[in-house]
Amino acid sequence: SQQGEEDPQALSIQEGENATMNCSYKTSINNLQWYRQNSGRGLVHLILIRSNEREKHSGRLRVTLDTSKKSSSLLITASRAADTASYFCATADYGGATNKLIFGTGTLLAVQP
Amino acid sequence: DAGVTQSPTHLIKTRGQHVTLRCSPISGHKSVSWYQQVLGQGPQFIFQYYEKEERGRGNFPDRFSARQFPNYSSELNVNALLLGDSALYLCASSALGDTQYFGPGTRLTVL
Repeated sequence: SQQGEEDPQALSIQEGENATMNCSYKTSINNLQWYRQNSGRGLVHLILIRSNEREKHSGRLRVTLDTSKKSSSLLITASRAADTASYFCATADYGGATNKLIFGTGTLLAVQP
Repeated sequence: DAGVTQSPTHLIKTRGQHVTLRCSPISGHKSVSWYQQVLGQGPQFIFQYYEKEERGRGNFPDRFSARQFPNYSSELNVNALLLGDSALYLCASSALGDTQYFGPGTRLTVL
């Protein structure tokens, strides 16, 4: 079963605009990761934020984490057509000896040139 | 450095057949995980292996099995294929407890 939900399910913006995607999850976590997937191919790791961090930046990406609300957001600034992809959040639970990721349902981002 | 590699890229099987998918992790990574992604959904965890031992198993039937070899490569086996097994199968490698890096996936179609 999915850990949580991404919101919105789909987002269409113009090049140069900012895109914000939200992720909610259900259980306590060690970290939360965001991945990008182009056209049903493999997942590309974007950024990892640990449970004791509140905000993290990487290039045009900004991720926030609110563990009290069990939510995270991914902001992509100055979007480009190449950012068109599906974006997934994944929570990591290191319970026991397992290092498994639990993925949300994904946000499909379309950036119009 | 080479990333995670998977083979084959695409595979078409018929119901009841058996399939073996292969994965080679990033050099130095000892942990390999397998995920199934059905169209329109996020990936679902199937197995994790570390140092050739199974460390975790998702909610999948016994038709699914896997193993990890001394060179840390891994195989995922699925017996008695069902139409519902059609999916993208993703392999990820990591140093245990760290970021997981995914391969390009194997697209399995069951007819």
